[in-house]
Amino acid sequence: GESVGLHLPTLSVQEGDNSIINCAYSNSASDYFIWYKQESGKGPQFIIDIRSNMDKRQGQRVTVLLNKTVKHLSLQIAATQPGDSAVYFCAENSNTGNQFYFGTGTSLTVIP
Amino acid sequence: GAGVSQSPRYKVAKRGQDVALRCDPISGHVSLFWYQQALGQGPEFLTYFQNEAQLDKSGLPSDRFFAERPEGSVSTLKIQRTQQEDSAVYLCASSLFAAGGEQFFGPGTRLTVL
Repeated sequence: GESVGLHLPTLSVQEGDNSIINCAYSNSASDYFIWYKQESGKGPQFIIDIRSNMDKRQGQRVTVLLNKTVKHLSLQIAATQPGDSAVYFCAENSNTGNQFYFGTGTSLTVIP
Repeated sequence: GAGVSQSPRYKVAKRGQDVALRCDPISGHVSLFWYQQALGQGPEFLTYFQNEAQLDKSGLPSDRFFAERPEGSVSTLKIQRTQQEDSAVYLCASSLFAAGGEQFFGPGTRLTVL
């Protein structure tokens, strides 16, 4: 399944399928990006990060892709599990500032 | 402690009351951030400390909001004369180095102003 961030803030996928969550960022000066997972009643939890000198980074079952030309970030989750159900946020940061700017978020629901 | 802790977890205040929200960052973390998260939205930056110095408070929505970190560890976010629009989850995050690295978030304090 695939989401387009602001236009489709919810995503439902079958257990075992791959998920793709998209994020469009606004600041061309942003050079550091983080994907966070937030479960109900908890604070955001770090998933994976990427710096602007890279276009792809892989973790355990997750891959982040960065396209600086169109200011687009995506999070791919392989073999999605029920425990992956949460809201996912992308956050951007510029090394000229201290602030992280968070996107609106995408709610992922995994159907067993 | 093992992670960032915040207290209280829930706070109900009557409009006009003052509230104080506490954050205990991970021991040794230099940077501390406060965020406000409205229902269904992403966290929004409020303020940033590097040790005891408040380097950025540009996100504080009004002069009713005040934050401090006097000894460079525990931080308190104070909201004076609370209004209904202040109802939100207030998140604290800390990071080991100066801004730009991974932030570790606490569970947040859910503030409800009646």
